[in-house]
Amino acid sequence: EAQVTQNPRYLITVTGKKLTVTCSQNMNHEYMSWYRQDPGLGLRQIYYSMNVEVTDKGDVPEGYKVSRKEKRNFPLILESPSPNQTSLYFCASSVGTGSNQPQHFGDGTRLSIL
Amino acid sequence: QKEVEQNSGPLSVPEGAIASLNCTYSDRGSQSFFWYRQYSGKSPELIMFIYSNGDKEDGRFTAQLNKASQYVSLLIRDSQPSDSATYLCAVGSGTYKYIFGTGTRLKVLA
Repeated sequence: EAQVTQNPRYLITVTGKKLTVTCSQNMNHEYMSWYRQDPGLGLRQIYYSMNVEVTDKGDVPEGYKVSRKEKRNFPLILESPSPNQTSLYFCASSVGTGSNQPQHFGDGTRLSIL
Repeated sequence: QKEVEQNSGPLSVPEGAIASLNCTYSDRGSQSFFWYRQYSGKSPELIMFIYSNGDKEDGRFTAQLNKASQYVSLLIRDSQPSDSATYLCAVGSGTYKYIFGTGTRLKVLA
């Protein structure tokens, strides 16, 4: 089954404790992206990757890091999480290397930073 | 800041009616437009995408694009209670970015 898999689905943690949210897709997609979704603000793009080893900032990259060492994986790293990063996070992937294709979304990760 | 705007709703329509959802965007250079449906607590799922001016139909759904007016809409015919969800408009901005609207909540009344 074609899918984007995120882990964990839920996480409660404390300020400053480094965490990683994993994302993996099995569709051989070139493009992958991370979003956060907050009430009243919609989905905002954090980082995206057009190909292996190629990443760039979206609209809200502060406080986040990403890497793309393999085509299928695109982890989101919070080096020193803060309460304002409490949010619902989605990973997405799409065929092609640009923003002209529909995206497939993972099931989401709900992060609470205390 | 490039933007995509949607009325937050809720838009309430009776079962069997046509629901009309609208979206405007600020980046005149945008070339790709997407509609996603998101049920509460779930991930967005693609409904339709459109690249060219005019209408594109898929079953009960029709996407309409007017690039001159920077306007894209989604029509849902014969609305069903199961269509009740938040509908997200997304625009491909530049070569690599996507910008989403905040979504319109649709309620289909049985």
